[in-house]
Amino acid sequence: DAKTTQPNSMESNEEEPVHLPCNHSTISGTDYIHWYRQLPSQGPEYVIHGLTSNVNNRMASLAIAEDRKSSTLILHRATLRDAAVYYCILLSGNTPLVFGKGTRLSVIA
Amino acid sequence: NAGVTQTPKFQVLKTGQSMTLQCAQDMNHEYMSWYRQDPGMGLRLIHYSVGAGITDQGEVPNGYNVSRSTTEDFPLRLLSAAPSQTSVYFCASNRYGQGAYEQYFGPGTRLTVT
Repeated sequence: DAKTTQPNSMESNEEEPVHLPCNHSTISGTDYIHWYRQLPSQGPEYVIHGLTSNVNNRMASLAIAEDRKSSTLILHRATLRDAAVYYCILLSGNTPLVFGKGTRLSVIA
Repeated sequence: NAGVTQTPKFQVLKTGQSMTLQCAQDMNHEYMSWYRQDPGMGLRLIHYSVGAGITDQGEVPNGYNVSRSTTEDFPLRLLSAAPSQTSVYFCASNRYGQGAYEQYFGPGTRLTVT
């Protein structure tokens, strides 16, 4: 399985943009880049996914490098509710999601 | 549309007891999975199913059984509970989508084995 590398933790000020990086240098052509997050004491929650082009939805934006070896999840205005562990996962076909350690995002008021 | 539901929310078992964690989804999803999450750790895949009558093992299947007789339900059975199975268990479901699907998770069952 292609693996991802994320920083263990990041900190952001409330109402500032947050850029969460993910490296995936061994990504294959059929791998989608997925992001999930897990708020304290809750199950994981889907955030966004993409293949080649940048993607936007109501929660976040996903910027994918041209060579697809890295991507960045962008939260445009961090709120206290965005404090969570964020997981970057590569997925192809119908293999199940495999979670790594993720990035723990702290948001400071 | 209730999404993914799990029962019970909390459970305490004694070593050696067996029990079944229930999971149901009302989204007509083909795919269902079970994960466990130990304190301070990431999620690990236990078993998954790509449709009724089909199941497969994940990373940590030992000590657990699953069956999938209907699209809606995917129960997880602990055969003989051990303290090492103390964890939070999450059930998830998704539509078949060739890597482009969204997975939906239930609220979890917190299990303590004494």
